[in-house]
Amino acid sequence: DIQMTQSPSSLSASVGDRVTITCRASQSISSYLNWYQQKPGKAPKLLIHAASTMESGVPSRFSGSGSGTVFTLTISSLQPEDFATYYCQQSYRTPYIFGQGTRLEI
Amino acid sequence: QLQLQDSGPGLVKPSETLSLTCTVSGGSISTRNYYWGWIRQPPGKGLEWIGSIYYSGRTYYNPSLKSRVTISVDMSKNQFSLKLNSVTAADTAVYYCARLGDTYAGADYWGQGTLVTVSS
Repeated sequence: DIQMTQSPSSLSASVGDRVTITCRASQSISSYLNWYQQKPGKAPKLLIHAASTMESGVPSRFSGSGSGTVFTLTISSLQPEDFATYYCQQSYRTPYIFGQGTRLEI
Repeated sequence: QLQLQDSGPGLVKPSETLSLTCTVSGGSISTRNYYWGWIRQPPGKGLEWIGSIYYSGRTYYNPSLKSRVTISVDMSKNQFSLKLNSVTAADTAVYYCARLGDTYAGADYWGQGTLVTVSS
C-alpha cells in the first residue's frame, strides 16, 4: 500500500494567517492527490483534486501544489469557517489511502 | 442537484453482517466516469476507503477488508449497497457512501453518514 503522512497533525493559527499543510507519499503518485476539509459531525468536502485543481465553489484562498511524493495545501488568509480537519488522499493506486489528518485550530 | 442518502441499522451484533444502502437522487448511478464507493471513519479517527463499484458491476476493495466486503449496485433502484460480514467492535464507525471520479477518485458527493455500532 502507498502510505500517506500529513504534517503537522495539529496546527494552531489565527484569522488572517497563512497556513500550509504537507502531505508526503511513500512512493511517487504523480498528481493523484486529493484534499478534503471535514467539520465536526459532517461528511468530508472535496476541496482539490489532481493535486492542484480546485473544486467548484471553493474559495480562492485555498490552493494545492506538488507532484511525485510531496504535496501542500495552502490557505492564504484563514477565515473563521476554515477551522476544521484536513485530509489528503492518494488515488494513484488502490487502496485509496488517506493521510491521518491535520486539525486546524484557532 | 445530486444527493446521496445512506441508510441501514445503527446497531449490529458481533459476528453478524453489516448492511447499508445508498440511494442516489438527482442523477443516474449509471453515469459514466464515476464510481460509487464506501468510506468509513471510526469515532475520533481518520478516514478509510472500503471499496468502490462502477455501474457495470466492476468492483475494487480495500485488501484489508476484501475477504469480508461485498459492494453491489442496483440500477433499477438507483442504489448501491455495502455488506460487511463477521463484524467486530473494530468495525464500529460512521459509514459514508460517496461518488468518486474515475480518474482522480476524488469523492465529490457524500451521503450524510450512518453511525454503525457493533455491540451485543
